[in-house]
Amino acid sequence: KNQVEQSPQSLIILEGKNCTLQCNYTVSPFSNLRWYKQDTGRGPVSLTIMTFSENTKSNGRYTATLDADTKQSSLHITASQLSDSASYICVVSARPFGGYQKVTFGTGTKLQVIP
Amino acid sequence: DGGITQSPKYLFRKEGQNVTLSCEQNLNHDAMYWYRQDPGQGLRLIYYSQIVNDFQKGDIAEGYSVSREKKESFPLTVTSAQKNPTAFYLCASSARLHYEQYFGPGTRLTVT
Repeated sequence: KNQVEQSPQSLIILEGKNCTLQCNYTVSPFSNLRWYKQDTGRGPVSLTIMTFSENTKSNGRYTATLDADTKQSSLHITASQLSDSASYICVVSARPFGGYQKVTFGTGTKLQVIP
Repeated sequence: DGGITQSPKYLFRKEGQNVTLSCEQNLNHDAMYWYRQDPGQGLRLIYYSQIVNDFQKGDIAEGYSVSREKKESFPLTVTSAQKNPTAFYLCASSARLHYEQYFGPGTRLTVT
């Protein structure tokens, strides 16, 4: 069964500090992994996307890593800002065999950045 | 939110009533999707449409129906057969099936 597990469930950090969110998956066969940011009551917005051959990708203060061998990904946020407070969702896609590419969403990590 | 709009943002209905959620996109995307989001759970796929006049059931289609008469529109009807309709509903679109999805702002449906 395809699963995506994220940790921690929630996190509180001080403004300006760094943090790392984790994503472990059992999706197979792997196609790509995305990290989304979802503000409360809004739709998710894509931060990064990585395929099998990529092991790191940055988007401003956000850096995602991927270890396809251990099926783990992390999202590192540098110099956090209050606006980083949101849920961060890891999404893993399986390679399509025709029809819809199976996409499995993690439950997200809720990050709160406090002054 | 890109060029995807969902309306209304909040919707309240009495149990036993059907309700239709709107989703419109002006991105010229072929594929559109409906997801449901519940607290503590990942997004779950309800229906998806690869192209106009075509749609397929997702993982939790029971109690829902959709139509895709126009490329830019993919309305979702929550029927009275849906046992637990109260949830946050998200619509998404992508240029083609399997391509990156862009999400709308969501509709929070409360059924009492």
